[in-house]
Amino acid sequence: GDSVTQMEGPVTLSEEAFLTINCTYTATGYPSLFWYVQYPGEGLQLLLKATKADDKGSNKGFEATYRKETTSFHLEKGSVQVSDSAVYFCALRNFGNEKLTFGTGTRLTIIP
Amino acid sequence: DAGVIQSPRHEVTEMGQEVTLRCKPISGHDYLFWYRQTMMRGLELLIYFNNNVPIDDSGMPEDRFSAKMPNASFSTLKIQPSEPRDSAVYFCASSLSSGRVDEQFFGPGTRLTVL
Repeated sequence: GDSVTQMEGPVTLSEEAFLTINCTYTATGYPSLFWYVQYPGEGLQLLLKATKADDKGSNKGFEATYRKETTSFHLEKGSVQVSDSAVYFCALRNFGNEKLTFGTGTRLTIIP
Repeated sequence: DAGVIQSPRHEVTEMGQEVTLRCKPISGHDYLFWYRQTMMRGLELLIYFNNNVPIDDSGMPEDRFSAKMPNASFSTLKIQPSEPRDSAVYFCASSLSSGRVDEQFFGPGTRLTVL
């Protein structure tokens, strides 16, 4: 079945540091890939997505590239801010299926 | 747009009591999802509906859990009887399927504590 494996947390970084959160997936077919973010006390919200190989999703300074050859969708940001502190979830959705398969989430804390 | 609305935001109850969680999806969305989030298990999909019809309830933990969607603007998740291990944050999400890949919009969640 489909599965998503993402970097264990928690991750703590200083403000303006470079961020990478690793995500790899296993899926049949050609899934679409997502990063969702959950701020404290809130529901998840879509951060970015990519629908096919080599697509790059980007939003709010975050980027992730759909790498079919390595089945990966790593999240990156060049300079993090305190306001980026949240839990980040990698997810996939297979074509024709409305279900999202989520990773376990990575808690990110940015210290000033 | 008001977004996905869930009520109550917090619920504290005693073991054995019935609990009903409510969700109003975004108007026009045809898919509705119920999730449970715990520290131990992370985010789990419990059930989802398409056009008010349950499509996949394989994530519902046991017979104590039931979900209904009587119309396009309302869904309930009921736990009867509740147990302490049901304590979690329950999220409702909705999406619009139009042949493209679209995002799921999550509500703020209901934090359930069963004593």
